[in-house]
Amino acid sequence: KAGVTQTPRYLIKTRGQQVTLSCSPISGHRSVSWYQQTPGQGLQFLFEYFSETQRNKGNFPGRFSGRQFSNSRSEMNVSTLELGDSALYLCASSLVSGSRSGNTIYFGEGSWLTVV
Amino acid sequence: EDQVTQSPEALRLQEGESSSLNCSYTVSGLRGLFWYRQDPGKGPEFLFTLYSAGEEKEKERLKATLTKKESFLHITAPKPEDSATYLCAVQANNDMRFGAGTRLTVKP
Repeated sequence: KAGVTQTPRYLIKTRGQQVTLSCSPISGHRSVSWYQQTPGQGLQFLFEYFSETQRNKGNFPGRFSGRQFSNSRSEMNVSTLELGDSALYLCASSLVSGSRSGNTIYFGEGSWLTVV
Repeated sequence: EDQVTQSPEALRLQEGESSSLNCSYTVSGLRGLFWYRQDPGKGPEFLFTLYSAGEEKEKERLKATLTKKESFLHITAPKPEDSATYLCAVQANNDMRFGAGTRLTVKP
């Protein structure tokens, strides 16, 4: 059974540009959540999508956005990139919405974004 | 405010030297506590989910336990391949909150 797939794995962008990251969840999983991981802040929740609707959102500026398609695949977009956006962006999928009790999430390998 | 604290920050063990990692939490309405293992440059790999105090789960050399305030990840007779960062996360209400992790190094 294929795991969570994220593309691209590595990318370098210039400050002020925008970037789109893609995530394909485990087959049958309908919830996709996104996290940012940095050495200083650890893993921080960005947002969660379930059935094409955003269910939860973390404390990030509006430059960070996402969407989910009818096949549960998801994309996240970061506009007007800043140097501080350099991080590992992780996508995770689960069967149902993460707000359900004890719902286990499974992570992809992540997309390494470097902003120069 | 909900908090998840992991200790120690880093742990160095000799192969075969058993030890425990701690995850303490202050959340209201715990729905689940999760342990993940993360290797450098990779995404976290799911290990265990614990739902209620007194629950225990085992997998090979790892055993996770849960009380009302903390969880322990016990590592018995570790091997060098157990070297990784171990992350704890708690789910409460609509939030999944991660600890900073414990970086484990096992020397042969």
